[in-house]
Amino acid sequence: KNEVEQSPQNLTAQEGEFITINCSYSVGISALHWLQQHPGGGIVSLFMLSSGKKKHGRLIATINIQEKHSSLHITASHPRDSAVYICAVGDSGGGADGLTFGKGTHLIIQP
Amino acid sequence: DTAVSQTPKYLVTQMGNDKSIKCEQNLGHDTMYWYKQDSKKFLKIMFSYNNKELIINETVPNRFSPKSPDKAHLNLHINSLELGDSAVYFCASSQGSTRRYFGPGTRLTVT
Repeated sequence: KNEVEQSPQNLTAQEGEFITINCSYSVGISALHWLQQHPGGGIVSLFMLSSGKKKHGRLIATINIQEKHSSLHITASHPRDSAVYICAVGDSGGGADGLTFGKGTHLIIQP
Repeated sequence: DTAVSQTPKYLVTQMGNDKSIKCEQNLGHDTMYWYKQDSKKFLKIMFSYNNKELIINETVPNRFSPKSPDKAHLNLHINSLELGDSAVYFCASSQGSTRRYFGPGTRLTVT
C-alpha cells in the first residue's frame, strides 16, 4: 500500500509570496491528484497529472516519477488561496477508488 | 448547473436511526464515489460504483450501503447510526479514473 506524505502540514505566508507544497509517495503510481478544500468545506480537483508539469492560472503542479515526488506551487499568493491542499495518488493498491490520500497542508495567506 | 449535488447539506439525528444521503451528478460520468472525511479532515474512500461493479472499502461497516437507481445517482444509506458515524460525507464522480468532481458534502451529526 502506498504511503503519501505531505509537507508542510501547516503553512502561513504573506500575500504575494511564492508557495510550495510537497507530496511524496512510496510506490509507483498511475496518476497524482491535487485537491483544494476551502474553509467552507467544498473540495475542488485542481490537477491530475502523471508526468511533467501542469499550469492553471497562478497554480503549477509538477511531478517527478523517478523520485516519487510532486510539488504544488502558488505564485503571487492571495488570501483567497487560503485552504487545505490535499495530495492523492492513484495506484492499484489504493482501495475502492484507487486513491491514497495525504493528510493535507493547511495554508493561510495573510494580507 | 451544479455538477454534483448532495442532499441534505446538514443532517442531525439520534443514535440508532436509519438515514439516507442523496447524490446526483449531471456530468454523464460513469463512476461515482462516496468518501468520509473525519474530524481531522482525513479523506477516506467508502465505495466506488461504475454501473457494473461496486467496490467496497473493507473497513466500511455493513451498516452502510450505496444504492444506485440509475447512472446519475448514488445514494448512501446508513442503518443503526452510531456516534462514530459523525463526519462529513462527500459524493464524487469521474469518467473512468480521471479527475474527481466532488459534491458540496453532507455534515452528519449523530447525537
